[in-house]
Amino acid sequence: DTAVSQTPKYLVTQMGNDKSIKCEQNLGHDTMYWYKQDSKKFLKIMFSYNNKELIINETVPNRFSPKSPDKAHLNLHINSLELGDSAVYFCASSPMTGGNSPLHFGNGTRLTVT
Amino acid sequence: RKEVEQDPGPFNVPEGATVAFNCTYSNSASQSFFWYRQDCRKEPKLLMSVYSSGNEDGRFTAQLNRASQYISLLIRDSKLSDSATYLCAVNGRGAGNNRKLIWGLGTSLAVNP
Repeated sequence: DTAVSQTPKYLVTQMGNDKSIKCEQNLGHDTMYWYKQDSKKFLKIMFSYNNKELIINETVPNRFSPKSPDKAHLNLHINSLELGDSAVYFCASSPMTGGNSPLHFGNGTRLTVT
Repeated sequence: RKEVEQDPGPFNVPEGATVAFNCTYSNSASQSFFWYRQDCRKEPKLLMSVYSSGNEDGRFTAQLNRASQYISLLIRDSKLSDSATYLCAVNGRGAGNNRKLIWGLGTSLAVNP
């Protein structure tokens, strides 16, 4: 009964390819996020959705396109992958927006672009 | 000044030791504070929320010092299994739904036998 699950866990692909990561949460939370953690371990927010509506978009390149079909799902599609996209991508959810409640993270997708 | 800062460590302590970490934040309007633990190649997991009055959970105690704008985490009687990176998160600038958690880079703790 995993609370926040994301797939795939590992993704190895070549530059220029397009790939997607999927995320689902069964906690009944209204808000979902995508975070990127780079090799320096800095955890940086990319997007936040509240009830399927985009509320935070942190100047992420247009190659990254999130999509939330319903409040329990948030997917991330990446076009024309670049070497610098290599990182761990975490999906997360929280009951509320505004950074007022703790986040619950998925186990991450380790993306390697070669 | 960074919005949220932590001493990266590493802190190397023997089993049974008491160790404390601080996390400073720049936004005096911040209202929500959290400590997370992240094991190597794993996701961050919530350790504790930090309340104004301070809070304790077993061997872990979290404190908030608004005047000096920092939160602290104290671990008593360290166990080998406490070895991890400890991340603090503070809600930062912005308003309403746009306000988000700002994360420290984490403090690495190694508990040695």
